[in-house]
Amino acid sequence: EAQVTQNPRYLITVTGKKLTVTCSQNMNHEYMSWYRQDPGLGLRQIYYSMNVEVTDKGDVPEGYKVSRKEKRNFPLILESPSPNQTSLYFCASSSLRQGAYNEQFFGPGTRLTVL
Amino acid sequence: RKEVEQDPGPFNVPEGATVAFNCTYSNSASQSFFWYRQDCRKEPKLLMSVYSSGNEDGRFTAQLNRASQYISLLIRDSKLSDSATYLCVVNPPPYGQNFVFGPGTRLSVLP
Repeated sequence: EAQVTQNPRYLITVTGKKLTVTCSQNMNHEYMSWYRQDPGLGLRQIYYSMNVEVTDKGDVPEGYKVSRKEKRNFPLILESPSPNQTSLYFCASSSLRQGAYNEQFFGPGTRLTVL
Repeated sequence: RKEVEQDPGPFNVPEGATVAFNCTYSNSASQSFFWYRQDCRKEPKLLMSVYSSGNEDGRFTAQLNRASQYISLLIRDSKLSDSATYLCVVNPPPYGQNFVFGPGTRLSVLP
């Protein structure tokens, strides 16, 4: 089954404790992206990657890191989480076909609470 | 001005009603446009892409007005299962990379 998986689905942590949220897709997609969703603000893009070893900042990259060592994986790293990073996080992937509207496939989301 | 704006609703409509949502975007160089649907606490899923000529998929019709920089979604014969939040998504430059989501419009279809 074609899918994007994220782990963990729920996480409660404390300020300053490094954490990683994993994201993996089995569709051989070139493009992967991380979003955070907050009430009234919609989804905001944190980082995206066009291919292995190629990553770029989105609209709200501060406080986050990513890596793309393998095509299927795109982990999101919070080196020193703060309470303002409490949010619902989604990973997404899509192909990069030329001239086509490329559908983004989303993972189930990770609900993070930073105390 | 926000890059993508939507009326947050909620829109409460009876079954069978026709409902329309609008979305405005600020970057005139935007190239691709989409409507996604998000059920409560779930991931967004593509409902339909929005092409320049407009397009229809069953009960759903999407229109794009580049001159006025707005996108619309029309739902005819609403079903209870249409209750969800509808997200307008715009792709300004760099194309294929940067996607901007609107805050969403919540629809409740009532029996």
